[in-house]
Order: sequence, then C-alpha cells, then structure tokens
Amino acid sequence: DAGVTQSPTHLIKTRGQQVTLRCSPKSGHDTVSWYQQALGQGPQFIFQYYEEEERQRGNFPDRFSGHQFPNYSSELNVNALLLGDSALYLCASSSGGDRVGGQYFGPGTRLTVT
Amino acid sequence: AQKITQTQPGMFVQEKEAVTLDCTYDTSDQSYGLFWYKQPSSGEMIFLIYQGSYDEQNATEGRYSLNFQKARKSANLVISASQLGDSAMYFCAIGPTDSWGKLQFGAGTQVVVTP
Repeated sequence: DAGVTQSPTHLIKTRGQQVTLRCSPKSGHDTVSWYQQALGQGPQFIFQYYEEEERQRGNFPDRFSGHQFPNYSSELNVNALLLGDSALYLCASSSGGDRVGGQYFGPGTRLTVT
Repeated sequence: AQKITQTQPGMFVQEKEAVTLDCTYDTSDQSYGLFWYKQPSSGEMIFLIYQGSYDEQNATEGRYSLNFQKARKSANLVISASQLGDSAMYFCAIGPTDSWGKLQFGAGTQVVVTP
C-alpha cells in the first residue's frame, strides 16, 4: 500500500521564479492538504483540496495556488518566489469521510530560494 | 481561532524510561480533534495518536498514550519504554471535526533518547 509521495525531493530556485510541487495521496484517500514548514517551526496550513476544489485556505498570499486532479493527486504552485518561501513543503492526505483518522504526510519537498 | 502551545523545546530521556511531552491548546470549537506527530531528521511527519474532544477514554497506541484533560485544555503525550529510534521532533496539533485539513501545529519538542 503506497503512502503519500511527493516530488521533487529537493529544489533550488532563484528569487522571482515560479515553482510547481507535486503530491500523490495515499491509496484510498481523496483529500489533499499542503503545509509549509520553515526551519525550526511547526507546519503552517496552506490549503486543502477535495473533489478538485479548494475547500479551505490558510493565511497565505495568492502567489500560492494549487490544483487537484481527478485521480486525487495535487500540485502546489508558488509564483514570484521570495527568499522567505524557502521551507519544507509537506503534503498530507486523508479521507473526506473519515472523521477519526489522522492525516498522513509525505516526505516533503525541500525548497531553497536563492 | 485555535492555538497549540508546547513549552518544552527539548528533552533528554534515557532508553527504557518513560517521557511526557506537554501540550496545551485553546479553541473556540465545541468539537475538535487532537493529534500527535513525530518528525525524524528525515523530515517526514509520522502520525502517532488521535484524541477526539468527546472521547471519554484516553487514546492509546502501543507505547504511546495521550493524557487528555479537557477542563485544563491539555493533551500530553506519554511515550513508555523509550527507544533510541524515538529520537525526533514531536508536534502536537489540533483540528476541527468538520474538516481535518486545517491542522494547527505547535512549535514542537525535540526528544533525544540516550543509551
């Protein structure tokens, strides 16, 4: 049973560029959430996708956008990168109908903006 | 709004001993869930244990147990019989029961298990 997968593992971008991160949820899960974790801090919720729509959004600017595909996989796009966007980006999947189970996280994508 | 506070930035524990990690929370939701995650140096967040706000019994999962005191708004994690592989960052998180997406995490507690 494959868990949550993310690609790429590491990424280095230049300030002002755009980046796309990808996530495939755990088998049987239909909900994908994205989190940003800066060094030494807890993860911060970016947004959540369910049924190909953004259902909830955290306190992040519009430079952060996403998409969910019919197979439940998801992309996170960040435009006009800033140095402060350097972080570990975590994708988490869950089942929309499961009120008890926790969210399962992928290994993350380490983004460095120079 | 929800808030999680983890006041212990770091802890050392000897192998085979038990350790308690503190977590207090604040929320205006009547129904909510509390979670603990483990994050080793590799970066992956590993789900450990869950407690629903209306659950009357404290949750247990193997060597992990959650000491839930609703009136005090605390949800401490107890790891029994610590192992070297337990060395990691531990995060407490809270989320509303109408949506699991928006988890609010604490700052984490670094645990180091020594032989």
